[in-house]
Amino acid sequence: EPEVTQTPSHQVTQMGQEVILRCVPISNHLYFYWYRQILGQKVEFLVSFYNNEISEKSEIFDDQFSVERPDGSNFTLKIRSTKLEDSAMYFCASSPGQGGTQYFGPGTRLLVL
Amino acid sequence: QKEVEQNSGPLSVPEGAIASLNCTYSDRGSQSFFWYRQYSGKSPELIMFIYSNGDKEDGRFTAQLNKASQYVSLLIRDSQPSDSATYLCAVDLSGSARQLTFGSGTQLTVLP
Repeated sequence: EPEVTQTPSHQVTQMGQEVILRCVPISNHLYFYWYRQILGQKVEFLVSFYNNEISEKSEIFDDQFSVERPDGSNFTLKIRSTKLEDSAMYFCASSPGQGGTQYFGPGTRLLVL
Repeated sequence: QKEVEQNSGPLSVPEGAIASLNCTYSDRGSQSFFWYRQYSGKSPELIMFIYSNGDKEDGRFTAQLNKASQYVSLLIRDSQPSDSATYLCAVDLSGSARQLTFGSGTQLTVLP
């Protein structure tokens, strides 16, 4: 069964450093998403992406964040200058179409020191 | 503010019993409703989705949707210890199908 994959599984970085989190969505899916979950808190929407552009973003997704689909398979989330409060689990998800079920990857645990 | 509310629990049921998980949402325009299961330290795993009022059954799981009451529930029949997890209700509140809003989750423990 096709799955969303994410790399790395864990990332430790120093405050102020840039990080890139990578995702490979399910191959025939058209909609891509990033969510985050701070330890012990809700899963929170960050951004959705369709047809090579952002379709919706939350208040969390400020200028420090960017997304890109650099080729036909990868979908990346870049955090330009990490803050301590960016420490969280970051989940990538994809869905086959509008309103379709979102399937989540295993996540990247980001720790900012 | 558009919200999804769940009883955080914890909810404990004996093995073989029915577990009932509830969720309310704030936006009448919502069209799509999802239940995910999340084991500790893992990602959300889809259990069921429901779009129409009424019941939808899949094996031991039944999702129930009442749009008039803005209420969605999940019943787990013949609960097993392996069902012990946090259950997340997720709603496409905007109706745009471009994001999901999650509840805080209900922690379920099934006692052997």
